[in-house]
Amino acid sequence: NAGVTQTPKFRVLKTGQSMTLLCAQDMNHEYMYWYRQDPGMGLRLIHYSVGEGTTAKGEVPDGYNVSRLKKQNFLLGLESAAPSQTSVYFCASSSRQGHLWEQYFGPGTRLTVT
Amino acid sequence: DQQVKQNSPSLSVQEGRISILNCDYTNSMFDYFLWYKKYPAEGPTFLISISSIKDKNEDGRFTVFLNKSAKHLSLHIVPSQPGDSAVYFCAASSAGNMLTFGGGTRLMVKP
Repeated sequence: NAGVTQTPKFRVLKTGQSMTLLCAQDMNHEYMYWYRQDPGMGLRLIHYSVGEGTTAKGEVPDGYNVSRLKKQNFLLGLESAAPSQTSVYFCASSSRQGHLWEQYFGPGTRLTVT
Repeated sequence: DQQVKQNSPSLSVQEGRISILNCDYTNSMFDYFLWYKKYPAEGPTFLISISSIKDKNEDGRFTVFLNKSAKHLSLHIVPSQPGDSAVYFCAASSAGNMLTFGGGTRLMVKP
């Protein structure tokens, strides 16, 4: 039982490049989330999904897109990276059966945009 | 404007003493509050929670207090241990909606 895994762990992009971050969970959770963590800002929700095939915007969605084609996977895309997107990105999941707020987090992806 | 604030970016405590981490919120619609703990290079992990109908919840060495009139909650760790050194995030939710996190407090417990 790996929990929530994220790929890659580190990435450096040049401004304007694109990339996709992959999140996978093996807990059969319905809900999945993408957050970014910046110093002093805590974790801010980018996008989330309440089930396969559904996505919704969070607090800071601009510049990001997501897809949830399979229940266990949640992809975060950056179409044209900007230095302001330099951050640590966390994926999380939670079960509809339990408390939605008891979220299980992956180890994070550190992204640097130069 | 941040709806959940942790005004102390860091806290240093001696091993065996009490650690008190504070959190303030502005949204009176928040009805559930949580603390998450984060070690370096790892994701946050759920620590303890409290519903707005309670003013205290205890789990072993960890106790969360909620003062609704002051819109303030605190996490007490007694006794503090070096393994408690981490970043602690306060979070809040209203009506089962998404979590709003504070900026975090780095706790350092000195042996």
